[in-house]
Amino acid sequence: EAGVAQSPRYKIIEKRQSVAFWCNPISGHATLYWYQQILGQGPKLLIQFQNNGVVDDSQLPKDRFSAERLKGVDSTLKIQPAKLEDSAVYLCASSLTGGGTEAFFGQGTRLTVV
Amino acid sequence: AQSVSQHNHHVILSEAASLELGCNYSYGGTVNLFWYVQYPGQHLQLLLKYFSGDPLVKGIKGFEAEFIKSKFSFNLRKPSVQWSDTAEYFCAVEGLSGNTPLVFGKGTRLSVIA
Repeated sequence: EAGVAQSPRYKIIEKRQSVAFWCNPISGHATLYWYQQILGQGPKLLIQFQNNGVVDDSQLPKDRFSAERLKGVDSTLKIQPAKLEDSAVYLCASSLTGGGTEAFFGQGTRLTVV
Repeated sequence: AQSVSQHNHHVILSEAASLELGCNYSYGGTVNLFWYVQYPGQHLQLLLKYFSGDPLVKGIKGFEAEFIKSKFSFNLRKPSVQWSDTAEYFCAVEGLSGNTPLVFGKGTRLSVIA
């Protein structure tokens, strides 16, 4: 079974630039999560989708971050403009139905903002 | 909203020593509980989970965890650690009331030395 695919693996940008990350979840998984993991901390949920609808985006900095999952399959997360404090690993995960089912994680995208 | 507290930031053990990592959560309702592990250079993967039933759950690689409802705890244990257990361990909780997201603790780094 193919896992959660994320690209790119690494990205270096200057502050105030924009960046986009892509995630392709496991086939058939209805729930998709984006997490931000800053070095030395646990993953922090940014947004959770159920199919193409948003379940939770309470911790998404909406002035600069946006995410979409247009057809209920793959998803993109965008940052515009980036700040130094956005340097982190951005993790995408998917699960079959959400509550009570295992979340499978991708390798993540390591973003460095300079 | 739920939160997760992991007591130890970094634990160093010798091979064959016993391991116990603490995890406490705060949430007013029924929860699903998880331990995830992240080996160096790899993605997060599920170690074990508790949904209901026997509060002592067994996971992969000889790990187990005990859910103590009265203490809001879900501590991870292993009787004898190996060098290959060196990793970061994350406790996570998901509330079952409404659409509550999967929330992670800050993680505990385990270093096993020969």
